[in-house]
Amino acid sequence: DAGVTQSPTHLIKTRGQQVTLRCSPKSGHDTVSWYQQALGQGPQFIFQYYEEEERQRGNFPDRFSGHQFPNYSSELNVNALLLGDSALYLCASSAGYLQDEQFFGPGTRLTVL
Amino acid sequence: GEDVEQSLFLSVREGDSSVINCTYTDSSSTYLYWYKQEPGAGLQLLTYIFSNMDMKQDQRLTVLLNKKDKHLSLRIADTQTGDSAIYFCAESIIFGKGTRLHILP
Repeated sequence: DAGVTQSPTHLIKTRGQQVTLRCSPKSGHDTVSWYQQALGQGPQFIFQYYEEEERQRGNFPDRFSGHQFPNYSSELNVNALLLGDSALYLCASSAGYLQDEQFFGPGTRLTVL
Repeated sequence: GEDVEQSLFLSVREGDSSVINCTYTDSSSTYLYWYKQEPGAGLQLLTYIFSNMDMKQDQRLTVLLNKKDKHLSLRIADTQTGDSAIYFCAESIIFGKGTRLHILP
């Protein structure tokens, strides 16, 4: 049973560029959440997708957008990258909306130069 | 707003017990969680406690919840070198900054 998978593992971009990160949830899970973890910090909630719609959103600008596909996989898009967007981006999946128990993927390390 | 706070660093001798503490502000969550993060890795769910429980034991792990004081703790018995990691307390989608556990030989 595959857990949560994310791609790519690492990514280097320059300021102003756009990036797309991908996540496949754990088998049987239909809800995907995205988190940003800056160095030395705890994960910060970006948003959560369920039934292909954004259901909750944290305090992140509109430059951060997402999508969920019918197979429950998800993408995180970040436009107009800033140096401060450098972080580990974590995807978490859960079974059902409003279910707190989340399983995390290994993350995508984004470096913005 | 909602917040979760933890001490940032804990140093413990191998074989001793480690106790990691956490305070939270929102009492509406059904569950409270402890996650472990090893260097370069994602978060691993260690254990969780239902909000109407006082204590939960799972092998070497003991979680204590004081709902009145909004205080949560994680005790790791017989701490081993493999326990060296960052431990995060979480209330739903709100995470603390993490406690780095360092094991002394």
